[in-house]
Amino acid sequence: GDSVTQMEGPVTLSEEAFLTINCTYTATGYPSLFWYVQYPGEGLQLLLKATKADDKGSNKGFEATYRKETTSFHLEKGSVQVSDSAVYFCALVDAGNNRKLIWGLGTSLAVNP
Amino acid sequence: DADVTQTPRNRITKTGKRIMLECSQTKGHDRMYWYRQDPGLGLRLIYYSFDVKDINKGEISDGYSVSRQAQAKFSLSLESAIPNQTALYFCATQWAGAGTDTQYFGPGTRLTVL
Repeated sequence: GDSVTQMEGPVTLSEEAFLTINCTYTATGYPSLFWYVQYPGEGLQLLLKATKADDKGSNKGFEATYRKETTSFHLEKGSVQVSDSAVYFCALVDAGNNRKLIWGLGTSLAVNP
Repeated sequence: DADVTQTPRNRITKTGKRIMLECSQTKGHDRMYWYRQDPGLGLRLIYYSFDVKDINKGEISDGYSVSRQAQAKFSLSLESAIPNQTALYFCATQWAGAGTDTQYFGPGTRLTVL
């Protein structure tokens, strides 16, 4: 079945550092891909998404490009802030299973001043 | 006001007690979901509902039941709570229309079973 694998955390960075969180997937076809973010004490919220190959999703300085050749959707940000400290989840739509979301395990990011 | 609300936000209970977690939404979405989040295990789907008369089990439904009282309300019950049901529980909604699969989450309920 479809699956999502993302890099394990925790990731600890200094403010203004470059961030990459890796996400790869296994799926039939070309599912829509998502990054969600969970700030401390809150529910998950959509950060960005891409619906087809080579699409780039972007929001709040974060970017991710849908790469079908490498089945990847890595999350990047050029200069992280303390306020970016959160847990980040990669997910895909399982088109063959009632369009439910398949989730990665999450990557915790801590940004130090 | 929040589009997806969950009550209670925190609950401590004892083994064997019946617990109900409630979710309400003002987004007008047909689809609603219950997940639990455990450290290192990510999100796991408990139950989901595509409309009031369509309720489905997720990957970890044992020990849980649900009720979809209206389009806007979806409740999760633990009939006899046990300690390994201690977790963070999230409700989510989704529009059923074509072309969008985004889910919208409530703030979560932290449940502790002693």
